Amino acid sequence: EAQVTQNPRYLITVTGKKLTVTCSQNMNHEYMSWYRQDPGLGLRQIYYSMNVEVTDKGDVPEGYKVSRKEKRNFPLILESPSPNQTSLYFCASSLSRTGGISNQPQHFGDGTRLSIL
Amino acid sequence: AQSVTQLDSQVPVFEEAPVELRCNYSSSVSVYLFWYVQYPNQGLQLLLKYLSGSTLVKGINGFEAEFNKSQTSFHLRKPSVHISDTAEYFCAVTRRRALTFGSGTRLQVQP
Repeated sequence: EAQVTQNPRYLITVTGKKLTVTCSQNMNHEYMSWYRQDPGLGLRQIYYSMNVEVTDKGDVPEGYKVSRKEKRNFPLILESPSPNQTSLYFCASSLSRTGGISNQPQHFGDGTRLSIL
Repeated sequence: AQSVTQLDSQVPVFEEAPVELRCNYSSSVSVYLFWYVQYPNQGLQLLLKYLSGSTLVKGINGFEAEFNKSQTSFHLRKPSVHISDTAEYFCAVTRRRALTFGSGTRLQVQP
């Protein structure tokens, strides 16, 4: 079954304790992306990756890191989490045509609800 | 830069009534438009997309949307809603490398 898998689904942690949210897709997609969803703000892009070893900032990258060492995996790293990073996070992937993702629908994971105390 | 505006944060409607969820976008270049649906405790699923061609596009679950270039709108419609359509709906605009979402509209279908 084609899917995007995120882990963990839920996490409660404390300020400053490094954490990683994993994301894996089994569709051989080139493009992967992380979003955060906050009430009234919709989804905002944190980072994206056009392919292996190619990553770029989205609209709200501060406080986050990513890596893309393999095509299927795109982990989101919070080196020193703070309460304002409490949110619902989604990973997504899609095919990429001629360097762009314009006409490709994105496939989303089920989300990771992160609470930073 | 591109942006997406969903004018209604919540739309309450009775079962079997028609519904329209509004979406306007701003972009200086041609874009591709999508509607996604998010059911409670789930990720987003693609409802429909406009890439080119006919301005009326049909999606899953009986939804359709009309692309209006002059009004820069991409409103979502369904002639008769069901309780199971209760969800949050997101309009999105994509260009080469980025997908920009609206703030979402929560559709609440009441019996």
